[in-house]
Amino acid sequence: GNSVTQMEGPVTLSEEAFLTINCTYTATGYPSLFWYVQYPGEGLQLLLKATKADDKGSNKGFEATYRKETTSFHLEKGSVQVSDSAVYFCARLGRDGNEKLTFGTGTRLTIIP
Amino acid sequence: EADIYQTPRYLVIGTGKKITLECSQTMGHDKMYWYQQDPGMELHLIHYSYGVNSTEKGDLSSESTVSRIRTEHFPLTLESARPSHTSQYLCASSVVGEQYFGPGTRLTVT
Repeated sequence: GNSVTQMEGPVTLSEEAFLTINCTYTATGYPSLFWYVQYPGEGLQLLLKATKADDKGSNKGFEATYRKETTSFHLEKGSVQVSDSAVYFCARLGRDGNEKLTFGTGTRLTIIP
Repeated sequence: EADIYQTPRYLVIGTGKKITLECSQTMGHDKMYWYQQDPGMELHLIHYSYGVNSTEKGDLSSESTVSRIRTEHFPLTLESARPSHTSQYLCASSVVGEQYFGPGTRLTVT
């Protein structure tokens, strides 16, 4: 079946530190992959996506590369800010046409000044 | 501006009451979803819809029901609220696999 395994949190970093949040998916076909972010008190927002192998999604300084060989889609940012504190969700799209997403369990990130 | 709305944002209600959580989107998306988010953050799909007059149960069993009479509107109803229904409820719509979320309704049943 479809599943997504995400690095457990919480993660606490100092401002300007390098961030990696790991995400792997089950290799059923070649699903589109997503990172969503949830700020306190809000719904989820799409952060970035990749639709095929070797694609790199990027937004707001965050990047993730679709790695078919390792079935991974790790989220990275070179220098985090306090405003990046949020919960991050990795997700994969099934290929059965109904556009349901399978989400990881979420990783809470806290950036301290 | 295209968007997705949920009302109310916060609701505290007594056991046994009937409640309806509203969700509307102005993007013309056919596919819509309801998620329940537990305090541990994990999202559970409880209902989805492919379009008008189409509703399906999601991966997590829920005592709630939904309807889809209009494309833009996807309300969720609890006939008799219980403390176990206390949770955050998120509505979303999608196109080409990208899901757009509303701000959520935080429901507390006392």
